[in-house]
Amino acid sequence: DTEVTQTPKHLVMGMTNKKSLKCEQHMGHRAMYWYKQKAKKPPELMFVYSYEKLSINESVPSRFSPECPNSSLLNLHLHALQPEDSALYLCASSRDINNEQFFGPGTRLTVL
Amino acid sequence: AQSVTQPDIHITVSEGASLELRCNYSYGATPYLFWYVQSPGQGLQLLLKYFSGDTLVQGIKGFEAEFKRSQSSFNLRKPSVHWSDAAEYFCAVGLFNQAGTALIFGKGTTLSVSS
Repeated sequence: DTEVTQTPKHLVMGMTNKKSLKCEQHMGHRAMYWYKQKAKKPPELMFVYSYEKLSINESVPSRFSPECPNSSLLNLHLHALQPEDSALYLCASSRDINNEQFFGPGTRLTVL
Repeated sequence: AQSVTQPDIHITVSEGASLELRCNYSYGATPYLFWYVQSPGQGLQLLLKYFSGDTLVQGIKGFEAEFKRSQSSFNLRKPSVHWSDAAEYFCAVGLFNQAGTALIFGKGTTLSVSS
């Protein structure tokens, strides 16, 4: 298995909802990442997990809460989001923190 | 500060013609460089990478890139473009440290392929 999977593909939520994005990889990678990509823009790093521990938080608002329950799974919990948080959320993984990153297909999030 | 510049926002190439996408970086040390491709609404696919060694690197789908330290460039090339190559192309610098890796992306170049 050489891919990163993300669910759901699309998500529409209201500003008072709580939802979660899920990312999974079975390549034995020990680093996982969340990126946010607005339309017509490059991806921007949000969080880095290395060996299931949060190692980088790029000053992301607390309404985004990452979780890494095991080495294959990465979640992003969403609460009280704003319409400007609407974007494509990309997950990536790498063998360790100093190797190339492989991206999943993304979750298209719309906040109403 | 580290940065990546892709001077061309949009390029149109005829099918079968050659392609060169430009990338310039600003980084204090020897950079780790990447090219990714993104089709509409999709994730990013790694085309190739440069960490060290031979400055001409081969990637997937017939792409290659050349690292030129003197010009701070890492241009992507393909000898004959196919209609399926139409997509967004991102050049990126990898900033590695003990905490993790931040990929700094350029703003991207949109490639259109005409028949």
